[in-house]
Amino acid sequence: SQQGEEDPQALSIQEGENATMNCSYKTSINNLQWYRQNSGRGLVHLILIRSNEREKHSGRLRVTLDTSKKSSSLLITASRAADTASYFCATDNAGNNRKLIWGLGTSLAVNP
Amino acid sequence: DTGVSQNPRHKITKRGQNVTFRCDPISEHNRLYWYRQTLGQGPEFLTYFQNEAQLEKSRLLSDRFSAERPKGSFSTLEIQRTEQGDSAMYLCASSLKSRLSYEQYFGPGTRLTVT
Repeated sequence: SQQGEEDPQALSIQEGENATMNCSYKTSINNLQWYRQNSGRGLVHLILIRSNEREKHSGRLRVTLDTSKKSSSLLITASRAADTASYFCATDNAGNNRKLIWGLGTSLAVNP
Repeated sequence: DTGVSQNPRHKITKRGQNVTFRCDPISEHNRLYWYRQTLGQGPEFLTYFQNEAQLEKSRLLSDRFSAERPKGSFSTLEIQRTEQGDSAMYLCASSLKSRLSYEQYFGPGTRLTVT
């Protein structure tokens, strides 16, 4: 079963603009992770934010987490055509197996 | 390349046939996961191994599905008597059991088409 829901489902922007994607989830988490998927490289881990963190940065990526609202956002600044991909949030519920529960993803198109 | 590899990358089979997929994780990773992904959806958890022990199986994994990880290295996922609803991308991921590392590393996937 899917844990989270991303919105928007699809996003189209111009190169250089910022892209914001949101993710909501249902249960308590240990951490939340964002992954990118494109046809060329499969699923690639982007960034992880722990449940006791509120914001994290990595290069052009900024992730926020609001555990009271069970939501997270991913901001990509100064987007590039190469950022075109699907973006998924996945939650780690801190069980012994550390399996990830995934949202439906946001399809991002960055137009040159 | 020391990433996760999966074979075959594509498999087309007729309904009722058996198929087997292989996953080779990153060599030092002791955790291995199988997920299934259909078009427009996120991955769904199927099963998990720690070393050679299969510790969890999803309800999605019917009795037609079986997974093994002999010797705690590579893993195989077999689907018996395939059905059209089994058509999907099958993803394998590995990770290292550590309090400090939680990310999973994914292979390119095996796309299964059942005709």
